[in-house]
Amino acid sequence: DAGITQSPRYKITETGRQVTLMCHQTWSHSYMFWYRQDLGHGLRLIYYSAAADITDKGEVPDGYVVSRSKTENFPLTLESATRSQTSVYFCASSERWGGVEKLFFGSGTQLSVL
Amino acid sequence: KQEVTQIPAALSVPEGENLVLNCSFTDSAIYNLQWFRQDPGKGLTSLLLIQSSQREQTSGRLNASLDKSSGRSTLYIAASQPGDSATYLCAVRGFITQGGSEKLVFGKGMKLTVNP
Repeated sequence: DAGITQSPRYKITETGRQVTLMCHQTWSHSYMFWYRQDLGHGLRLIYYSAAADITDKGEVPDGYVVSRSKTENFPLTLESATRSQTSVYFCASSERWGGVEKLFFGSGTQLSVL
Repeated sequence: KQEVTQIPAALSVPEGENLVLNCSFTDSAIYNLQWFRQDPGKGLTSLLLIQSSQREQTSGRLNASLDKSSGRSTLYIAASQPGDSATYLCAVRGFITQGGSEKLVFGKGMKLTVNP
């Protein structure tokens, strides 16, 4: 009953480095989402996926890449990290996205870009 | 563009008080509204979800109401306890737009502290 797990929990990197944040869910939910949470902005959607091999941009996708080769995994890659990408990143999942489905969140990854 | 506002940003109360948390949104054409709780260093936990056709939802000491016409929702917490201390966020979900996909728009949250 692990639910949705994110790794690493904390990450420090340098500008220009590539970083991948992992997200794994055990429910076989179809929909998965990546959000970032920043003071003054709240939660903003980066990318989402409706199923394996189907992804789409959210509100703030620039500088990020996602993939979803398997239903249970939805990694988020920062191709060349910038200081403005310092944030807390949350992965979320939902069984469907057409009715009363709730969103379930992971515990987050706190990323610092120096 | 949908905007969700939660005022005040923080609230500190003594234990036992009945609380009302406010959420307002600019576009009344919503599919549903969710209230979440976030503990420090943790992810969000869904508390209540209200469909656009509903007026309220209840779970234990929590009651959420929705008034679409005025663009407002309230989360009522009865007999508050120190364990209720957390940040509470509301999020609204719009209808599917052509070529796109509806998504949740979050408020910035309200940090609640319940003092023993």
